[in-house]
Amino acid sequence: GAVVSQHPSWVICKSGTSVKIECRSLDFQATTMFWYRQFPKKSLMLMATSNEGSKATYEQGVEKDKFLINHASLTLSTLTVTSAHPEDSSFYICSARRGQVSETQYFGPGTRLLVL
Amino acid sequence: GQNIDQPTEMTATEGAIVQINCTYQTSGFNGLFWYQQHAGEAPTFLSYNVLDGLEEKGRFSSFLSRSKGYSYLLLKELQMKDSASYLCAVMDSNYQLIWGAGTKLIIKP
Repeated sequence: GAVVSQHPSWVICKSGTSVKIECRSLDFQATTMFWYRQFPKKSLMLMATSNEGSKATYEQGVEKDKFLINHASLTLSTLTVTSAHPEDSSFYICSARRGQVSETQYFGPGTRLLVL
Repeated sequence: GQNIDQPTEMTATEGAIVQINCTYQTSGFNGLFWYQQHAGEAPTFLSYNVLDGLEEKGRFSSFLSRSKGYSYLLLKELQMKDSASYLCAVMDSNYQLIWGAGTKLIIKP
């Protein structure tokens, strides 16, 4: 199988604090990891694509200084929401893909962030 | 621009068959994916089509016509647990996934 974990699954934090979300591929090496955001009843919105050992590629409109992505190893990527505000409250989902670009993306269980 | 269209919501009866359609217009095509997403959870992979035709996997089948820019997901012998959103996604020429907004499927007893 292809299992992707995410931690934490739930975060409640105060406005102004930073939150780190981890995404791990448990049984395969993920050359590429993706970070998505999803609002209620809406589709997935790709935020950024990260390849191991290189800088993430951010989608248009996504602030790279606000959403820091680190892909330190072939099994771990982290998303840090810096100085979180209530409008950052959302469902953040990571996915991971093995080597080939045409391969399936496998999703983590998601992290629900609530900023008060 | 790139566009994926699928119905917003569908309702079906337990035990019946339902077909969820997806039409797409993308810059290039490297395959079409169907994912299932239960409320509050992340998507799970259902199927991948890159060649024309029908791919059957248990109660679920997925069909692709590249010339028509069209796919459908067919669910047979519907169960209550099939109530979920079904997301259609197309991989474009840059191997980026373009996502549809999802179809919410409601199963009634």
